[in-house]
Amino acid sequence: QVQLVQSGAEVEKPGASVKISCQASGYTFTTFGMHWLRQAPGQRVEWMGWLNVGNGNAAYSQKLQGRVTITRDTFASTTYLEVTGLISEDTAVYYCARDRTQTWYGGIDYWGQGTLVTVSS
Amino acid sequence: DIVMTQSPDSLAVSLGERATFNCKSSQSVLYSSDNKNYLAWYQQKPGQPPKLLIYWASTRESGVPDRFSGSGSGTDFTLTISSLQAEDVAVYYCQQYYTTPITFGQGTRLEIK
Repeated sequence: QVQLVQSGAEVEKPGASVKISCQASGYTFTTFGMHWLRQAPGQRVEWMGWLNVGNGNAAYSQKLQGRVTITRDTFASTTYLEVTGLISEDTAVYYCARDRTQTWYGGIDYWGQGTLVTVSS
Repeated sequence: DIVMTQSPDSLAVSLGERATFNCKSSQSVLYSSDNKNYLAWYQQKPGQPPKLLIYWASTRESGVPDRFSGSGSGTDFTLTISSLQAEDVAVYYCQQYYTTPITFGQGTRLEIK
């Protein structure tokens, strides 16, 4: 069965960077796109970006462009989200989530369990 | 950005009764070349990630009970639970994937009356 397993919770100081991993199993890794999203307490889900896992090309939310990088390791069936210049408003649960297709416009079907990132001095 | 607005913010329904959720997009999410609405519905329970219920506005995801159905086109959409079960208590979100940034509604919280 399809599983997306994310790395554990992180606590970071303002200005620091964080890198979260998402290991996929149960399907052919390179044939589906992967999104990264986040949900701050009491807020709606926010889309951060998407990766074409096959060729490594990424697209990002304009709001976060320049602070977010999505990459992958095809041998490890793992995608990574790095966020730099952390601020308190980045405190949220971060999710990786698979697209139903190789693109970003097929709809999101499977989600990771979520990784809590807390930004605090 | 396409703004997704859901109504109501919360809903209380008796077991066995119908629950109806509304979602409105600030611009059409119907793509004319394939006649598909790029709209999905998700269910989220506390401490869990969202779960896909419906995509293309009305296609039920595999394994989702048939009491869940989606309808609508263009800018106005509805999710219906035909006969509420206790395990349906959750927050329900609509999402458009017509264009980036992909955007979500603010959610509708469903409770048992």
